[in-house]
Amino acid sequence: AQSVAQPEDQVNVAEGNPLTVKCTYSVSGNPYLFWYVQYPNRGLQFLLKYITGDNLVKGSYGFEAEFNKSQTSFHLKKPSALVSDSALYFCAVRDIGGQGGKLIFGQGTELSVKP
Amino acid sequence: EPEVTQTPSHQVTQMGQEVILRCVPISNHLYFYWYRQILGQKVEFLVSFYNNEISEKSEIFDDQFSVERPDGSNFTLKIRSTKLEDSAMYFCASKNRGATEAFFGQGTRLTVV
Repeated sequence: AQSVAQPEDQVNVAEGNPLTVKCTYSVSGNPYLFWYVQYPNRGLQFLLKYITGDNLVKGSYGFEAEFNKSQTSFHLKKPSALVSDSALYFCAVRDIGGQGGKLIFGQGTELSVKP
Repeated sequence: EPEVTQTPSHQVTQMGQEVILRCVPISNHLYFYWYRQILGQKVEFLVSFYNNEISEKSEIFDDQFSVERPDGSNFTLKIRSTKLEDSAMYFCASKNRGATEAFFGQGTRLTVV
């Protein structure tokens, strides 16, 4: 069965420092991987995706993620965190077994960026 | 920028009552989804809908749940007889043919009392 794990419930970072939010996956075949962000009282916003090609993908708001096939990871990164990046981040993998393209989400990581 | 819109943003209902959650997907999208997020838990898939029929549903999506696309724009989730454990944030999402990422609405918080 396909799954996604986010090993950290919370990540705390000082503003201006680099941040990493971790994600590992388990799929058969080539994964389609995604990061979504949820700001308080808001919906899920698409940040970036990996389908194929370059292992480093760039997305919205200065975020990027690195696909590592050997480690089955897709960590989200940003070189310099902002207080406004504080939110809940979800990693997801597209289910290749079903017919509708559903997403399987990790449990989420709360990112807190302090001034 | 086009977006998925959901109404209402918050609904409180009594146990046993029927509720209908409404969504307007992005206009040229063809795939529609409902997900839910119980407070403090992960986002869970409920159902996907394409070509006017359910393409996939999860174990959560039992006979109490139904979806409908009554016209060309709305996509609804009906819960026939709500239970306390149906309390959650419900997200609608849509995706275009050939696209890989889905776009989500802001969610409807359902509280069953």
